[in-house]
Amino acid sequence: DQQVKQNSPSLSVQEGRISILNCDYTNSMFDYFLWYKKYPAEGPTFLISISSIKDKNEDGRFTVFLNKSAKHLSLHIVPSQPGDSAVYFCAASSIISSGSARQLTFGSGTQLTVLP
Amino acid sequence: NAGVTQTPKFRVLKTGQSMTLLCAQDMNHEYMYWYRQDPGMGLRLIHYSVGEGTTAKGEVPDGYNVSRLKKQNFLLGLESAAPSQTSVYFCASSYFPWSSYEQYFGPGTRLTVT
Repeated sequence: DQQVKQNSPSLSVQEGRISILNCDYTNSMFDYFLWYKKYPAEGPTFLISISSIKDKNEDGRFTVFLNKSAKHLSLHIVPSQPGDSAVYFCAASSIISSGSARQLTFGSGTQLTVLP
Repeated sequence: NAGVTQTPKFRVLKTGQSMTLLCAQDMNHEYMYWYRQDPGMGLRLIHYSVGEGTTAKGEVPDGYNVSRLKKQNFLLGLESAAPSQTSVYFCASSYFPWSSYEQYFGPGTRLTVT
């Protein structure tokens, strides 16, 4: 039972155009959402995040949108660059049942390819 | 500042063998985590630690043990490896979770169990 879903395993976009990566979640206890970027043979690196009390957060070329009623978030990359080609993971944060820490629940990732 | 490092980077084990994966962080983080990543799936939490000397189970803890004897190190052990444990293992660390939600990841260890 996946609580965080990324339904598109891959996405190809032309350089300079907008990339839109989508993520859906089911657990209402998630209160913070993050996007990670991963290159081959490297660990995931943090990209951008958003609190559940906001609906948009922007950082340079990257914007994350959150629609709480639809339990949906998206990452927009404008303009897309070839160096953005990577796997993008959506992650949701919640308190671990013991209350002593937080955990991240990850989606399965979307491979973004930006074509020159 | 190396961040989070993992050793080894690759390992091949035979079924029933044991091994220990080492994670080290130099950011003075209290919280450390071990994840596994399988094809077509997101990262899943195996075990975590909220501080030196503490460990707790995550989502998929069976077949693994952990220890956090020093704040900067978090060890993941497989006592009797099984083919189902073939995966890429990532270690992560974070500050106090109530003020920061971001986790910092190591480069991963690719483990194959034959």
